[in-house]
Amino acid sequence: QQQVKQSPQSLIVQKGGISIINCAYENTAFDYFPWYQQFPGKGPALLIAIRPDVSEKKEGRFTISFNKSAKQFSLHIMDSQPGDSATYFCAAPRFYSGYSTLTFGKGTMLLVSP
Amino acid sequence: ETGVTQSPTHLIKTRGQQVTLRCSSQSGHNTVSWYQQALGQGPQFIFQYYREEENGRGNFPPRFSGLQFPNYSSELNVNALELDDSALYLCASSNILYETQYFGPGTRLLVL
Repeated sequence: QQQVKQSPQSLIVQKGGISIINCAYENTAFDYFPWYQQFPGKGPALLIAIRPDVSEKKEGRFTISFNKSAKQFSLHIMDSQPGDSATYFCAAPRFYSGYSTLTFGKGTMLLVSP
Repeated sequence: ETGVTQSPTHLIKTRGQQVTLRCSSQSGHNTVSWYQQALGQGPQFIFQYYREEENGRGNFPPRFSGLQFPNYSSELNVNALELDDSALYLCASSNILYETQYFGPGTRLLVL
């Protein structure tokens, strides 16, 4: 069973600071690594995703860094804002014959203080 | 908003009862996956439907079953409800050719 280990479990960052969330995966047969953002009472929303043919992808204040040799990828939120307060999940696809699923980390609860 | 809708939004059942949850997938998507998200945890894969057939299944017992309809909408059925079935049930739609999954808002199920 593919494991995706996410850390930290919770994070408090001051407004304007940098939030960093890390994920480690076990299986190397993946080529797509998404991050999802979930607000209370809502479903997860795709935030940003990366393929391992690049080491970094940036979209606005959100950046994914990917380290294939270490089997790790991380989410950086620059200039964190109170509206970024949410739970963040990393995920990795697991491929079977004919279908793929997502295996999620346990999530990081981010609180950005004003 | 993803265009994936789920109903109902909340549901309360008692142990032993049966429940049906519904999902309408996003336009252009032909695959529906269902996930269970317990409080404070990440979503856990239940099963996936493609072309009206179960395409894959996670580590959930047979009392969790589903359907997919010709319009790609889907149902999740849970029989003989147990207290531990209390969770947020998420539907995710996608195209079989691509990995990206788009989640609906979920159905919050409480089993008493």
